[in-house]
Amino acid sequence: QEQLVQPGAEVRKPGSSVKVSCKASGGIFSNFAFSWVRQAPGQGLEWMGGIIPYFGTGDHAQKFQGRVTITADKSTRTVYMELRSLRSEDTAVYYCARGGEIPASRVWAMDVWGKGTTVTVSS
Amino acid sequence: DIVLTQSPGTLSLSPGERVTLSCRASQSVTSDYLAWYQQKPGQAPRLLIYGASNRATGIPDRFSGSGSGTDFTLTIYGLEPEDFAVYYCQQYISSPRTFGQGTKLEIK
Repeated sequence: QEQLVQPGAEVRKPGSSVKVSCKASGGIFSNFAFSWVRQAPGQGLEWMGGIIPYFGTGDHAQKFQGRVTITADKSTRTVYMELRSLRSEDTAVYYCARGGEIPASRVWAMDVWGKGTTVTVSS
Repeated sequence: DIVLTQSPGTLSLSPGERVTLSCRASQSVTSDYLAWYQQKPGQAPRLLIYGASNRATGIPDRFSGSGSGTDFTLTIYGLEPEDFAVYYCQQYISSPRTFGQGTKLEIK
């Protein structure tokens, strides 16, 4: 059964960092695209960035330039999203999601989702 | 960035009705790299449609996607009670792989 396991919640103070993990089971880990999508309370979905472990390098939205790093550890089948310089507006549910397998065209259409990690930024 | 605009923002309908949701892109989404997701309160999104018109695994055939270029639609034939949720479109032709703002489908 393919699934993505994330921690349930993290609490951080403004100005600090958070590193959220996403452990994958099922399938050939390296060949899939993994995305991070966040959702602020009562708001829509926002794609933050993603990575295909086979290629190694992450990709992220310009909005998060300098603050986000997305990495993958093939040995533990885990993807990570680190967000730095946290502010209250970063309070959201952070989802890890898996797309298709390369070289399929639907590599970035996400069909397996984690349950989400609630990150609360508060002093 | 490609901006996706969904309309309407909210729809109030009754079970059994047919509904069409719209997603318009600020520039062409070539090769139909467009997906639709359903999200219910407290749950992660679920992929319904990819490639503009391909149903994802396990998605009932009452869900149908169509369109190309800059205009895409999701049609639900015969609304079931479990279909009342928020629907998002997403383009994945270019980074950032943006979402629309969502259409909420509520029971009339």
